[in-house]
Amino acid sequence: NAGVMQNPRHLVRRRGQEARLRCSPMKGHSHVYWYRQLPEEGLKFMVYLQKENIIDESGMPKERFSAEFPKEGPSILRIQQVVRGDSAAYFCASSPLQAISPGELFFGEGSRLTVL
Amino acid sequence: GDSVTQMEGPVTLSEEAFLTINCTYTATGYPSLFWYVQYPGEGLQLLLKATKADDKGSNKGFEATYRKETTSFHLEKGSVQVSDSAVYFCALFPTDSWGKLQFGAGTQVVVTP
Repeated sequence: NAGVMQNPRHLVRRRGQEARLRCSPMKGHSHVYWYRQLPEEGLKFMVYLQKENIIDESGMPKERFSAEFPKEGPSILRIQQVVRGDSAAYFCASSPLQAISPGELFFGEGSRLTVL
Repeated sequence: GDSVTQMEGPVTLSEEAFLTINCTYTATGYPSLFWYVQYPGEGLQLLLKATKADDKGSNKGFEATYRKETTSFHLEKGSVQVSDSAVYFCALFPTDSWGKLQFGAGTQVVVTP
């Protein structure tokens, strides 16, 4: 009965490199959300996806960040040309159909990105 | 826009003390309200929720009541344990949202033996 699986748990990148974070939602969940937690701050919404669709990306920086949730495989958050300010914990969450239990998200353990 | 404000931490308590974490919100309509907890090194877990005014959510000895008149959802526990040490997040889910659960900044709670 696996929960939300994120990998890698820890990722170190040098400035200018690319970071790819993966998230497999809980079985039966078709909604995926990405949140970012900066040091000493709360969680900030980044993007909400369903299979093959981006529903709300209002929290995504306009440049360098992208997200996808393909028909097959995990959701991926991609950060190009990373900068030190991208260092954070990135949390993925999933939920079943929203009409059943809106707002109830199941979180993964997070991917902690460190940019040197 | 919608927002959540919660008291700053850290909150340090002795075991068996009474815990209150204040949370107020700003929202249009009638949002659902949540408390999530994050234990060290882990992701967030839903602790409790309330979906309408005067509802009381409860779980693991924690309680919170949805107060529309004061736009508040304060978290309380009568007797904390060391294992309750964590970061607690208040959150709201707007009625007109596609799914953007909005979190407060989080309150770190440290319980000492």
